[in-house]
Amino acid sequence: AQTVTQSQPEMSVQEAETVTLSCTYDTSESNYYLFWYKQPPSRQMILVIRQEAYKQQNATENRFSVNFQKAAKSFSLKISDSQLGDTAMYFCAFGAGNQFYFGTGTSLTVIP
Amino acid sequence: DADVTQTPRNRITKTGKRIMLECSQTKGHDRMYWYRQDPGLGLRLIYYSFDVKDINKGEISDGYSVSRQAQAKFSLSLESAIPNQTALYFCATSDGGQGSRRYGYTFGSGTRLTVV
Repeated sequence: AQTVTQSQPEMSVQEAETVTLSCTYDTSESNYYLFWYKQPPSRQMILVIRQEAYKQQNATENRFSVNFQKAAKSFSLKISDSQLGDTAMYFCAFGAGNQFYFGTGTSLTVIP
Repeated sequence: DADVTQTPRNRITKTGKRIMLECSQTKGHDRMYWYRQDPGLGLRLIYYSFDVKDINKGEISDGYSVSRQAQAKFSLSLESAIPNQTALYFCATSDGGQGSRRYGYTFGSGTRLTVV
């Protein structure tokens, strides 16, 4: 079975600080892709960053980076220099076979 | 215009009523999906379609039906709505084959459905 676990339902961070959101997954697939999506109060789902499982180098997009540990099946998201606009629900997901599988989400609040 | 458009944005309906949620896309993607989002449960797949003649059940299809009217249109119906179908519903699209996993989904802006 394909599963995605986000063990932190809620987190908070001071503006300008760094925060890391955790995600673990389980799959028997060898070829898959990992994603972090952001859902602000507007409820639009926005792709933040993606990682190809066959690449060892961790993906980076501006202030967002991932720590991908394939053997441990871990895919955490680090947000540097947190901004008020980062306040949102964050979903970890991976694509394998014909589907995507989503975690239950982490609600992040950036405190001014 | 948005790449994936969902209508209505919000809807309140009564128990037992039939309701249809609509999704249209301009991405030219072959694959379309319906998910529901509930607090603490994340996104769960209801139905998906890889082309007009291909419809597949997801993990929570009971109480729902779908129609793929054209490559660009995929609608979700609740034949007899019940309160525990109150949720946020998302339509999503993706490219076919390897692209579907490599680039992720394009989501609509969601339909907030409340069944009273």
